[in-house]
Amino acid sequence: QVQLQESGPGLLKPTETLSLTCTVSGGSMNSGDYYWGWIRQPPGKGLEWIGKIHDSGNSHVNPSLKSRVTMSIDAPKNHFSLRLTSATAADTAVYYCARHDVSGYDPYYHYYMDVWGQGTTVAVSS
Amino acid sequence: QSALTQPASVSGSRGQSITITCNGTSSDIGAYNFVSWYQQHPGKAPKLMSWDVTFRPSGVSSRFSGSKSGNTASLTISGLQAEDEAVYYCSSSGPFNTVIFGGGTKVTVL
Repeated sequence: QVQLQESGPGLLKPTETLSLTCTVSGGSMNSGDYYWGWIRQPPGKGLEWIGKIHDSGNSHVNPSLKSRVTMSIDAPKNHFSLRLTSATAADTAVYYCARHDVSGYDPYYHYYMDVWGQGTTVAVSS
Repeated sequence: QSALTQPASVSGSRGQSITITCNGTSSDIGAYNFVSWYQQHPGKAPKLMSWDVTFRPSGVSSRFSGSKSGNTASLTISGLQAEDEAVYYCSSSGPFNTVIFGGGTKVTVL
């Protein structure tokens, strides 16, 4: 049974870079069948999709965050990472990593998150 | 990218059926059967309840059923139970292989 676990600093200052890692256990990341990605949830608010990455290196990012987001993946070591630059208070949220399964047919695909990490709280404050 | 539109709250009595709607556009929900639903209990990670409108993961109760008409997707919970009280999010495909969410619907069991 695949499990995901987020890790990273829980507190950072404005303008710093947020860095999180998601470690995957119970399964292999390099089957090529899935994307691996991030979703966040500000306190008391809804879900916001951040982006996803494939073990081929192919990635897609929420246009509203594209200029600040970098994702990387190390499939043989079973982890992937998120970097979000120039953090502000608006980036305070619970950050989830999630496995993205896919349905559909080229070029029309539907990505849905079938396995989630428990989430990690990140606060941006001076 | 625009979010999908859900009612803020829906309530029902135990044993009743309720339906949560998710309004999109002809570019997302209306274009294909690409709708998924997630359940989130307080302090917990979201849980996938259905994908491609009607498919359920193993372990999800058949009391949860999805449907779609035009640009609106729906999740119906039949035989409402106390443990169904949670926030439910719909999701669909955005442009350029992205993902979009609805704002979430809080379900209250009376």
